[in-house]
Amino acid sequence: DQQVKQNSPSLSVQEGRISILNCDYTNSMFDYFLWYKKYPAEGPTFLISISSIKDKNEDGRFTVFLNKSAKHLSLHIVPSQPGDSAVYFCAASMDTGRRALTFGSGTRLQVQP
Amino acid sequence: DAGITQSPRHKVTETGTPVTLRCHQTENHRYMYWYRQDPGHGLRLIHYSYGVKDTDKGEVSDGYSVSRSKTEDFLLTLESATSSQTSVYFCAISAARVGNTEAFFGQGTRLTVV
Repeated sequence: DQQVKQNSPSLSVQEGRISILNCDYTNSMFDYFLWYKKYPAEGPTFLISISSIKDKNEDGRFTVFLNKSAKHLSLHIVPSQPGDSAVYFCAASMDTGRRALTFGSGTRLQVQP
Repeated sequence: DAGITQSPRHKVTETGTPVTLRCHQTENHRYMYWYRQDPGHGLRLIHYSYGVKDTDKGEVSDGYSVSRSKTEDFLLTLESATSSQTSVYFCAISAARVGNTEAFFGQGTRLTVV
């Protein structure tokens, strides 16, 4: 039973265009959401996060949108750059108990020069 | 970068042998986690620790045990390795502050069980 789902295994965009990565979750107890970026042979690195009390958080080229009613979040990268090519994981957590992250299966983003 | 070191980085072992992976942190974070990454599954939680000698199971804990005798070290042991435990293992640490559960990950250990 996957509580966090990334339904697109891969995405290809042109350099300079917008990349939109999507994530859905089923557990309404999740109250904190994160995006991680992962290059091959490296550990995931934190990219951006959003609390459930907000609907948008922006950091430079990266913006995360949260739609609680739809249990959906998305990551927008504008403009996309070739160095953004990586696997992106959506993650969610609850502010109680073990506070561990529950991850989606990832989306591989390829930015074409 | 958060100070997390995993060792070894690569290991090949035979079915049935015990294996221990080590995670060492220099951040004094309270929470430590072990995840495994497999194609199509993302990262799945094996075990976690919320303090010295305080550990608990995650979603895929069967066949694994952990120990945390010091704040900085979190060990993952495969009691008798099986081919299904071939995976990439990541350690993560978190201060797990209220309203912020951001975790920092190590470089990973690629384990192959033959």
